[in-house]
Amino acid sequence: EAGVAQSPRYKIIEKRQSVAFWCNPISGHATLYWYQQILGQGPKLLIQFQNNGVVDDSQLPKDRFSAERLKGVDSTLKIQPAKLEDSAVYLCASSQVPGLALYEQYFGPGTRLTVT
Amino acid sequence: GQQLNQSPQSMFIQEGEDVSMNCTSSSIFNTWLWYKQDPGEGPVLLIALYKAGELTSNGRLTAQFGITRKDSFLNISASIPSDVGIYFCATRGSNYKLTFGKGTLLTVNP
Repeated sequence: EAGVAQSPRYKIIEKRQSVAFWCNPISGHATLYWYQQILGQGPKLLIQFQNNGVVDDSQLPKDRFSAERLKGVDSTLKIQPAKLEDSAVYLCASSQVPGLALYEQYFGPGTRLTVT
Repeated sequence: GQQLNQSPQSMFIQEGEDVSMNCTSSSIFNTWLWYKQDPGEGPVLLIALYKAGELTSNGRLTAQFGITRKDSFLNISASIPSDVGIYFCATRGSNYKLTFGKGTLLTVNP
């Protein structure tokens, strides 16, 4: 079974530029998550999708971050314009429908973003 | 928001030693999870705990869900070099949202 795919793996941009990350979840997983992991910290949830609908985006800085999951499969996360403090690893995860007894989130390898 | 206090922040041990790390919270949770993250990779679930007092093993790893539902610990026995990485505890809140601790960096000296 293929895992969660993310691209690019690394990205370096200057502040005020725009950047987009792509995620392809595990086939059949209805729920998709984007996390931000700043160096030295645990992942922090930015947004959660159930199919193509947003379940939770309470921690997404909506003035500069946006995400979509068209057709309930792939997802993109965009930052526009980027700030220095956006430097982090952006992780995508997917899971089956929450509520199953063996609920588990599978994480992709992440995209390491450096804003200079 | 919810905060998990994970300790220690880092550990440097000799191969073959046992390791213990823990996580505490001021809030009560119904689920405790332990993940491991290797450099350049995403976290991988090691053990999931769903019931207060539950003790679960996965090979050399053992984790327990505290009776108060506010804490959990993870033990690794007879450590080996591939145990190196960052270990995170996590809890599940509303909407099945995960909150992670800050992690314990484990270094194993061969």
